[in-house]
Amino acid sequence: EIVMTQSPATLSVSPGERATVSCRASQSVSSNLAWFQQKPGQAPRLLIFDASARATGIPVRFSGSGSGTEFTLTISSLQSEDFAVYYCQQYNNWPFTFGQGTKLEI
Amino acid sequence: QVQLQESGPGLVKPSETLSLSCTVSGVSVSGYYWGWIRQAAGKGPEWIGRLDPSENTYYNPSLKSRVTMSVDTSKNQFSLKVTSVTAADTAIYYCVRDLNVWGPGTQVTVSS
Repeated sequence: EIVMTQSPATLSVSPGERATVSCRASQSVSSNLAWFQQKPGQAPRLLIFDASARATGIPVRFSGSGSGTEFTLTISSLQSEDFAVYYCQQYNNWPFTFGQGTKLEI
Repeated sequence: QVQLQESGPGLVKPSETLSLSCTVSGVSVSGYYWGWIRQAAGKGPEWIGRLDPSENTYYNPSLKSRVTMSVDTSKNQFSLKVTSVTAADTAIYYCVRDLNVWGPGTQVTVSS
């Protein structure tokens, strides 16, 4: 199975700042990569699919880039509601696999 | 608007079978990709299995021999069974459509 590795595990940033989360795949997943946001007690919410396409209703401050094995999620100007855990997930090969998560904290 | 809702026992005894259903509203259960994902406390999510529009099933090899998924078009539901459960199967279980529609999740605890 493809192993997804995220970095950092925890990212401490201030509101208004830019945040960048990295995700590396153990083998190429082409552009079949999604990013999710999860808040406590809630199901994950899809932010980005196909590595760079924003899901419906997702603010433009969220952007994704990359292909192959290296991917990045960028939040351009952090709002208070953005502090959460972020996961990448590949859907190129079954079983689909998630990263271990990056916690974005104030 | 598509909505999903998981249902089933919240407590299952070790070695028994975990059975969950996902009720689909707002769209027919036919013709889409459906799946089950679980998340143990403090861990990342894990795909359990997936159904394609032809009702072919794909199971995670880590659970494959213990998992069965099926669709019930008469109830507009799909279901999950996991046999021979252990404490390692304790998690929140989510039903999903594609990547972007998730149920709220249901906590399943395996304990005697």
